[in-house]
Amino acid sequence: EVQVLESGGGLVQPGESLRLSCGASGFSFSDYAMTWVRQAPGKGLEWVSSISPYGTSTYYADSAKGRFTISRDNFKNTMYLQMNSLRVEDTAIYFCAKDGKGYQFDQWGQGTLVTVSS
Amino acid sequence: QTVVTQEPSLSVSPGGTVTITCGLTSASVSTAYYPSWYQQTPGQAPRTLIYDTRTRSSGVPHRFSGSILGDKAALTITGAQADDESDYYCVLYLNSGISVFGGGTKLTVL
Repeated sequence: EVQVLESGGGLVQPGESLRLSCGASGFSFSDYAMTWVRQAPGKGLEWVSSISPYGTSTYYADSAKGRFTISRDNFKNTMYLQMNSLRVEDTAIYFCAKDGKGYQFDQWGQGTLVTVSS
Repeated sequence: QTVVTQEPSLSVSPGGTVTITCGLTSASVSTAYYPSWYQQTPGQAPRTLIYDTRTRSSGVPHRFSGSILGDKAALTITGAQADDESDYYCVLYLNSGISVFGGGTKLTVL
C-alpha cells in the first residue's frame, strides 16, 4: 500500500526553525517527485515546494523562497522541509504528497501541524 | 503573481448537476496547465478526483468529470449526492515545477 507520513510539527516561536519529515512506503520513492502543501487554519490549500526524483531540482512558492529548503534522502525514503525564520503566518497543517501522472498529487499524508506563536 | 480563481461557494440539490470552474486572472486555462481537482472534507487530507484535465483517479465515481469550458477548467458533478458536500480545489501546473491551488469551493448539497 502506498503511504506517506509526515512528522516533525510542533509549536515554535516566531523566528525559530523546524524540520518536517515525510516518510514514504509502498512505492519506488526515487522514481517520483514529491511535494509539500500547507493549509492554514480555516483556509485553503497552498502549494509550498516540490522536489524532483533525485533532488536535483527544487521549486518554491514565493512565500517559502529564501526561508524553506526542501530535500530528500532516497536511501531513507524520506523527504524533508527545513523551515527557518518562521512567521506567525506559517501556522498551518503541512501535507506531504507524492507526485503522480499528469502533474497531480496522487497520494497524501494526514498532515502535521506547525504552530508559530509567541 | 498568478491567481487561480474558483467560486467560493456553490449549492446543488440532491440528484442535480453542478459545475465548479477554475480560471486564471491573467490567461485562459488550457490542457497545457494539466488541471487537477481535489476533494477535501473537514479534518481530512485531500483526495484526488481528476487529473490531466479529465482523467478520473482510481475509484472516483463516474458522476465526477473534468473538462475545459471556455477559458476555464471545470469539474462537473452529475447526480450529486449528500456525501459530495465538501471543499473542492483545483490545481494548475504553471511550468518549471510551480503549481498553484485555487482558493477552493465549498459545495453544499441541499
